[in-house]
Amino acid sequence: NAGVTQTPKFQVLKTGQSMTLQCAQDMNHEYMSWYRQDPGMGLRLIHYSVGAGITDQGEVPNGYNVSRSTTEDFPLRLLSAAPSQTSVYFCASSYSVSNTEAFFGQGTRLTVV
Amino acid sequence: AQTVTQSQPEMSVQEAETVTLSCTYDTSESDYYLFWYKQPPSRQMILVIRQEAYKQQNATENRFSVNFQKAAKSFSLKISDSQLGDAAMYFCAYRSALEYGNKLVFGAGTILRVKS
Repeated sequence: NAGVTQTPKFQVLKTGQSMTLQCAQDMNHEYMSWYRQDPGMGLRLIHYSVGAGITDQGEVPNGYNVSRSTTEDFPLRLLSAAPSQTSVYFCASSYSVSNTEAFFGQGTRLTVV
Repeated sequence: AQTVTQSQPEMSVQEAETVTLSCTYDTSESDYYLFWYKQPPSRQMILVIRQEAYKQQNATENRFSVNFQKAAKSFSLKISDSQLGDAAMYFCAYRSALEYGNKLVFGAGTILRVKS
């Protein structure tokens, strides 16, 4: 079972460059979300989706775009990378029942120089 | 908006001893879920234990148990018979039962060190 797969695992970008972090899940989960993890701040929600074609902003959405054309995929796009976006990014998925476990990908460590 | 506070940035425990990690949260909702996640150096997020707010009984998973005090908005994690493999960052998280979406609110985390 692949679970939640994130690519790449590591990335270095120059300020102003754009890129897409990929996230795919094979568990037929309705819900998917993106978090960023920064020291001393835990994980914070960037964007989330409740199903194909439906997305919404989380706590820290600025500088990021998402779309969800299929149930399986939920890519996160950085439009113009800034040093403040240096972070570890996690994709998570779950069924729509509230008490079910959120499954996380392995994370992407992004450095913007 | 809900908030989750973990007031212990770091904790240490001797192997085979017991340690308690603290978590408090703030919400005006009555129906919600609370989670403890473990993040070892591999970076993988692993669910340790979950608690439904409507359940008075504290959740238990083998050596891991919680002390859930709804009125005090407190949700501490007790690890018994600590093992070297328990060394990790631990996150407390909140999820509303009233909202759609996988929207977890995390605390800042507690680093747990286990001494042999």
